[in-house]
Amino acid sequence: DQQVKQNSPSLSVQEGRISILNCDYTNSMFDYFLWYKKYPAEGPTFLISISSIKDKNEDGRFTVFLNKSAKHLSLHIVPSQPGDSAVYFCAASGDTGNQFYFGTGTSLTVIP
Amino acid sequence: GAVVSQHPSRVICKSGTSVKIECRSLDFQATTMFWYRQFPKQSLMLMATSNEGSKATYEQGVEKDKFLINHASLTLSTLTVTSAHPEDSSFYICSALRMNTEAFFGQGTRLTVV
Repeated sequence: DQQVKQNSPSLSVQEGRISILNCDYTNSMFDYFLWYKKYPAEGPTFLISISSIKDKNEDGRFTVFLNKSAKHLSLHIVPSQPGDSAVYFCAASGDTGNQFYFGTGTSLTVIP
Repeated sequence: GAVVSQHPSRVICKSGTSVKIECRSLDFQATTMFWYRQFPKQSLMLMATSNEGSKATYEQGVEKDKFLINHASLTLSTLTVTSAHPEDSSFYICSALRMNTEAFFGQGTRLTVV
């Protein structure tokens, strides 16, 4: 049973435009969410996080939005750059962070 | 940012042998580390949670006698794949928790069993 879902396996965006990656979860006990970025043949790297006490967290070109009532979070990248092309995973945790549940990833391609 | 070093990055071994993968948190202490396995075109699958000074907690379906985990210090966890078989070939990734909140990942280990 997939508790964290990323329903779009891939996304293509023109350079300079906004990329929006979406993530849905089913467990209302999740209170900490993260986005990871993964290049081919490399381990995922942490990108940005948000706790359930917030509905927005911004770090440079990356902004994560959390809608608790809809159990939905999204990652906005603006402006998108070709180097952003990677697989993006969202993850959720329900306690102190002792277990993370990952989505299946969305492959983002930024077209120059 | 925090650094987690995983070694080796690639390893090829013969079927029946054992392989040890190390995961080190270089600039922070991690009482909890995680081991993941990535299957092609699938998300990371959590194999086990490694806690310093105690036995690892394995996820359902993961053979604890085959995937031995040792978390001997606050900066090092090891995963040993025992009696490796070709079906164990995969990408293994560790992550370490800093301050029990943020998780930082190692660069991964590509294991090929021939």
